[in-house]
This record gives sequence, structure tokens and C-alpha cells, in this order.
Amino acid sequence: GAVVSQHPSRVICKSGTSVKIECRSLDFQATTMFWYRQFPKQSLMLMATSNEGSKATYEQGVEKDKFLINHASLTLSTLTVTSAHPEDSSFYICSAQTAGLADTQYFGPGTRLTVL
Amino acid sequence: ILNVEQSPQSLHVQEGDSTNFTCSFPSSNFYALHWYRWETAKSPEALFVMTLNGDEKKKGRISATLNTKEGYSYLYIKGSQPEDSATYLCAFPPPYSGAGSYQLTFGKGTKLSVIP
Repeated sequence: GAVVSQHPSRVICKSGTSVKIECRSLDFQATTMFWYRQFPKQSLMLMATSNEGSKATYEQGVEKDKFLINHASLTLSTLTVTSAHPEDSSFYICSAQTAGLADTQYFGPGTRLTVL
Repeated sequence: ILNVEQSPQSLHVQEGDSTNFTCSFPSSNFYALHWYRWETAKSPEALFVMTLNGDEKKKGRISATLNTKEGYSYLYIKGSQPEDSATYLCAFPPPYSGAGSYQLTFGKGTKLSVIP
């Protein structure tokens, strides 16, 4: 149980285009989903937290107009990288959580984004 | 800003050897510590959630201990096998301030390679 899928696993796009990444909880309802980014040799850095039906909360330094997050249902959240640039190339990974103080976050397998 | 440190950064051991590594975290306002195993091309997998000082948890050949007063947790692997090769992450939530979700701050991980 507690499987999270993420699609696509890898995407290459041209500079200036927008890319949408989907994160789905397959066998449970996720009250909260998180989006992280990881640069080489760095830790997972939280970008934003989204609760179903409400606006996402972005971490300091993360542009909300560039990284659009939609959490339309209890099983789906999407991250859209708008007008992508080479510096947005990174590994993006989502996680999903059910309500509770010490509940585990269940992670997707991640998406490798390369912007040319 | 919470600081979660993991050491060593990487580790090579022979098959059959036992090994351990460390996660250090702020000891004030402790709520929980999470350990994850992240194999290449897979989703990070939750290993343990530890909440009490002196906690010791075990899953097969992997165990973890927790010292909240001094702010560290050890992860032990007994009789390492090649399939244990992965990056082991620890993560720590900020002081809990309300109902619902909480974010995790991750360490950079310890990359374990088990040589057959």
C-alpha cells in the first residue's frame, strides 16, 4: 500500500516552454502533498506544500508564478514549471501524506527535468 | 532554519560487514525523526519514524536508535548485502504549530555501496 506515482519520469524541453508534472496517490487519499527539488549533491529541498482544494504554500525563494501547483483532488497534485529555463533543470519529486502528527510521507519516483 | 547533518556522506563496505551512520538534528522542540532508504531510480522508502528518546526500531537487518537530548540518531545495518546499497536519508519536521500537515527538512544523505 501507500504507492505514489509521478509522471513523466524524465522530460527534456526547450527553453521557454511549460512542463507539467503529475503526482498521484494510487491507494490512499492524500490530505497534503509536497513538492521537492534536488540539485546534484544537495538534499531534497521543499518547494511547496499543497492541501486539497486550497492554494499551495510556497517556501521562501520559490516563485509561485513560475511553479504553479494545483491540488484538485485527494489523489492528484500537479506542478507546472512555466517558461522553463536551463536553471530550472533539476530533479523534482513529490510526496503525499495522510493527516497526523508523525505520519510518513510517501514519495513518488521523481521527475528529471532538463531544459535546453 | 533547521540543520540536519548526516555523516559520512558516502560509505563503501564489503558484503557481510556491519555498518552504521549518523543523523544529527536540533535537540530542542523535538517531535519526530524519519529515516528513508532511497535506491537509485526508485521512490524513497520510509524505514522508521522515531518519536521517543531512547527509541530503538528494527526492520530485518536494519535498526535505528534515537537520542533526542543530544540530537542524534544512528542507523545500523547488520551483515550488509548488495541490495542494501542505497542513499539513506534522515528528515526532521519543524516544531508543530497546528493541525494538518508538516514539512520535513532532509539531510543530504549517506550513500552506501555494498561491494559483493
